[in-house]
Amino acid sequence: EDKVVQSPLSLVVHEGDTVTLNCSYEVTNFRSLLWYKQEKKAPTFLFMLTSSGIEKKSGRLSSILDKKELFSILNITATQTGDSAIYLCAVGGGANSKLTFGKGITLSVRP
Amino acid sequence: EPEVTQTPSHQVTQMGQEVILRCVPISNHLYFYWYRQILGQKVEFLVSFYNNEISEKSEIFDDQFSVERPDGSNFTLKIRSTKLEDSAMYFCASSPRTSGNNEQFFGPGTRLTVL
Repeated sequence: EDKVVQSPLSLVVHEGDTVTLNCSYEVTNFRSLLWYKQEKKAPTFLFMLTSSGIEKKSGRLSSILDKKELFSILNITATQTGDSAIYLCAVGGGANSKLTFGKGITLSVRP
Repeated sequence: EPEVTQTPSHQVTQMGQEVILRCVPISNHLYFYWYRQILGQKVEFLVSFYNNEISEKSEIFDDQFSVERPDGSNFTLKIRSTKLEDSAMYFCASSPRTSGNNEQFFGPGTRLTVL
């Protein structure tokens, strides 16, 4: 059975801090790892990673995948209160297959 | 920017009633999915759909559930006889037909409350 474990489960930081969110996985026929941000409702797509060691970057957010050690990290620098959300990690085990999600990491950024 | 839409945003029903949740995927996408998230729990896969048939389903997706693409734009999830434990947020997602692409875009969800 595919498995995704995220840590920590929750995190409280102050504006301006840098945070690192972790995701480890076990999946048959790994294809990709995705990060989503979930605020009120729908998960919104952040990154998809398929190749090991290649950093994806979007503004203050970046993510990298290690396929040998089966984990990914999501970094957020200079955090803002608008970054407060649940960050979901999901893995896809085949082309266009289902995603298996972790429990999510609740990030709270205090002013 | 195109997005997945879902209706209704909130549905309240009595146990044993049938409900239909509706989704309009992004127009050029060919893969469609339903997930659910029980309050406080992780997002769980229910079913995937491609080329007018189910391509994969989870053990949650039993005989009480069905999916349909009745026309060129809508994608529906039907629960025939709702149970209390069906109360959850139901998300529809769609994915473009790009070789090996797992990138899925989610709709805003329908909150189903079964009383």
